[in-house]
Amino acid sequence: DAKTTQPPSMDCAEGRAANLPCNHSTISGNEYVYWYRQIHSQGPQYIIHGLKNNETNEMASLIITEDRKSSTLILPHATLRDTAVYYCIVRVTDTGRRALTFGSGTRLQVQP
Amino acid sequence: DTGVSQDPRHKITKRGQNVTFRCDPISEHNRLYWYRQTLGQGPEFLTYFQNEAQLEKSRLLSDRFSAERPKGSFSTLEIQRTEQGDSAMYLCASSPRQDFYEQYFGPGTRLTVT
Repeated sequence: DAKTTQPPSMDCAEGRAANLPCNHSTISGNEYVYWYRQIHSQGPQYIIHGLKNNETNEMASLIITEDRKSSTLILPHATLRDTAVYYCIVRVTDTGRRALTFGSGTRLQVQP
Repeated sequence: DTGVSQDPRHKITKRGQNVTFRCDPISEHNRLYWYRQTLGQGPEFLTYFQNEAQLEKSRLLSDRFSAERPKGSFSTLEIQRTEQGDSAMYLCASSPRQDFYEQYFGPGTRLTVT
């Protein structure tokens, strides 16, 4: 699985959009980009995933660059409950078999 | 559907003792994963079950670690002769039988070895 690079920490004001970047310059054509987050004292939680098209769900939007070497997770209106560590993960297949390879993630602090 | 549950939530043990953790996955999820997470790091994969078969083990799973999933339902993770380096959060996750992109994680068991 390709390696990812994320900033260690970011701040965001409550109600504003949080844009979390991820670099995955060695991504292969069959690798998906996944985002999970981990709120303090809880297990990780799936947010969104995509291959090459931009994706949106009720939690967030995922923007993947055309060359697929980087992506951005967007939380459109951040709340205090969005304070968490966000993990960008690249994985070969869109299946449930493979284990997830987590990096150190980005610690997002939403400020009131 | 009550989610993935893990027991105990916290365990303090003395070095050299054996400990066992339990994970109850979401019903009908035939895939089960164990991860370990140390402070400030992301979770690291330990082992994976499909039904009762243990199909994959990480190099992190030393011979002091053993995992089982009898009858393909709940799973146990045992650590023998615990060491201080085993102190970590042990996370369990499950996913459904069809190919599926999401893993559902439990709250974890925090192990402290003194």
